[in-house]
Amino acid sequence: SAVISQKPSRDICQRGTSLTIQCQVDSQVTMMFWYRQQPGQSLTLIATANQGSEATYESGFVIDKFPISRPNLTFSTLTVSNMSPEDSSIYLCSVGGLWLAGTDTQYFGPGTRLTVL
Amino acid sequence: QQQVKQSPQSLIVQKGGIPIINCAYENTAFDYFPWYQQFPGKGPALLIAIRPDVSEKKEGRFTISFNKSAKQFSLHIMDSQPGDSATYFCAASRQAGTALIFGKGTTLSVSS
Repeated sequence: SAVISQKPSRDICQRGTSLTIQCQVDSQVTMMFWYRQQPGQSLTLIATANQGSEATYESGFVIDKFPISRPNLTFSTLTVSNMSPEDSSIYLCSVGGLWLAGTDTQYFGPGTRLTVL
Repeated sequence: QQQVKQSPQSLIVQKGGIPIINCAYENTAFDYFPWYQQFPGKGPALLIAIRPDVSEKKEGRFTISFNKSAKQFSLHIMDSQPGDSATYFCAASRQAGTALIFGKGTTLSVSS
């Protein structure tokens, strides 16, 4: 199985600022995803981040608000820009696709709990 | 995004009971159906998953039943324990390892 870490684990930010969330995986993975989970709610896909290409965003999410980087097969970042209280959520990184072990299960990181004041 | 409908929203059972959580999907292009378990403050953890060519899959105390014609699938937890108290999400995707569409979740409470 993949071990996924996220930094920071939680943060409290002021309105109008930006926060960059890091996701690190212990093995090379084809596909990485960023999800948002609002308090007590389900998970909603923000974007798919594949190494070497631009991230693909879901309806309702735009690159200016949630820029994503994917510099290599083990790392990605999600930035939440110009934050408002409505951005208060848990942001989760997940990985999927075939990798060296030959499995294709999707795993989730522990999440970053963001509170915007 | 295509919707995955999950029910019930919450469920309370006694220890040893068999809670059943149901999901229905719309998109016939989905061919991978996982269930995730999430404890407070943690990321979702994969429990068990199934593909449409199989009608049932068991892993330990967890069983998925799949009805392709009805576009429904369900999770059964045998001999439930207080440690099973968590939120359970069903999900679907076009293929394993690709983006998931999640149900709204079911909060399970198992009383001792």
